Amino acid sequence: GENVEQHPSTLSVQEGDSAVIKCTYSDSASNYFPWYKQELGKRPQLIIDIRSNVGEKKDQRIAVTLNKTAKHFSLHITETQPEDSAVYFCAASPSNDYKLSFGAGTTVTVRA
Amino acid sequence: GAGVSQSPSNKVTEKGKDVELRCDPISGHTALYWYRQSLGQGLEFLIYFQGNSAPDKSGLPSDRFSAERTGGSVSTLTIQRTQQEDSAVYLCASSFEGGNSPLHFGNGTRLTVT
Repeated sequence: GENVEQHPSTLSVQEGDSAVIKCTYSDSASNYFPWYKQELGKRPQLIIDIRSNVGEKKDQRIAVTLNKTAKHFSLHITETQPEDSAVYFCAASPSNDYKLSFGAGTTVTVRA
Repeated sequence: GAGVSQSPSNKVTEKGKDVELRCDPISGHTALYWYRQSLGQGLEFLIYFQGNSAPDKSGLPSDRFSAERTGGSVSTLTIQRTQQEDSAVYLCASSFEGGNSPLHFGNGTRLTVT
């Protein structure tokens, strides 16, 4: 099955700086890569996703890049703000027949 | 459009008792997942239902855990003979088609075993 590894496990950044979280996956057939944000005490929510037919996707201050050859994808948050403090999870799946596999999560703390 | 609904939101039970947790997915979603999340930890996969296919039970931690999904909609997760280490938040999620569709999570059931 798919195995997703996520790094770093914790990340502290100064407000206004950028944050980057990286994930690698094992199944070369994986073609869907979402990112979820979980604020303290709340449920995970989708913030951005990318499919394997594109290499990059942006939505305001967040962007995701995908390198299919290397089997890794990354989340980039620019101009970080205190409300970006949360746990972020990456995930991957090869098809609708298989479950979405999650990384272990990255706790991001934005220092004011 | 209601989201994923889970009940109860909180459950306190005594060690050794059985508990049932309920999940109502978004209408029309064919895929349903159960996860367990201990305090400050990641998402521990438990079980995955997709349409009429046999469920992926590879994440169930022991035979005390079981889940069913009736009529392709509501799901119940049952934990028999609860242990203190079962204390966690149990999250349900559904998606429209399966692994290649965005997951929508419920608010979870916080289970405390005393």
